[in-house]
Amino acid sequence: DGGITQSPKYLFRKEGQNVTLSCEQNLNHDAMYWYRQDPGQGLRLIYYSQIVNDFQKGDIAEGYSVSREKKESFPLTVTSAQKNPTAFYLCASHLAGEGHWTEAFFGQGTRLTVV
Amino acid sequence: AQSVTQLGSHVSVSEGALVLLRCNYSSSVPPYLFWYVQYPNQGLQLLLKYTSAATLVKGINGFEAEFKKSETSFHLTKPSAHMSDAAEYFCAVSGYNNNDMRFGAGTRLTVKP
Repeated sequence: DGGITQSPKYLFRKEGQNVTLSCEQNLNHDAMYWYRQDPGQGLRLIYYSQIVNDFQKGDIAEGYSVSREKKESFPLTVTSAQKNPTAFYLCASHLAGEGHWTEAFFGQGTRLTVV
Repeated sequence: AQSVTQLGSHVSVSEGALVLLRCNYSSSVPPYLFWYVQYPNQGLQLLLKYTSAATLVKGINGFEAEFKKSETSFHLTKPSAHMSDAAEYFCAVSGYNNNDMRFGAGTRLTVKP
């Protein structure tokens, strides 16, 4: 079955550690996104990528990094520079390009907690 | 750039009552508009989408939304609420070139028996 998979579902990080959240899709989608969700704040865009080897910062990119070496994969690294990383992280993907639109498909999310 | 504003962070209705969740958008280009639903600790699931065809859009689970350009609105409605509708609902907007997609802050729907 086609879909978008995030792993792990739960992740614990110690202060000062970098951690990487995985996002993989087999939908052949061009665009991939990372969102952060905090209670009462909805979804805030961290990074997005429209094509391989290219990505753009969203509204809250500081303290995060991404790569897009393969079309199927868009991992997010939460660095030690992110001072308040505890949140629910959502990855999404969709077909992109002018006149070629579909809705976004979401993974099940990764809940990151700093301990 | 596009943006959406959802009016009301929390809406409570009785089972069987009308559900109305409000969304207003801002876009410099003709928008694509979406409503998503999220259940606890899960990802988002598409309810319906507007892509410049019919202004009244029907979605899953009996929900529908009407695109009103003059009011820059895309409110979500359901004639009769069910207990299983209790969840968080997000309105989203994107432009024709799919540069990025932006979400509202969400509205939590509670359904009382």
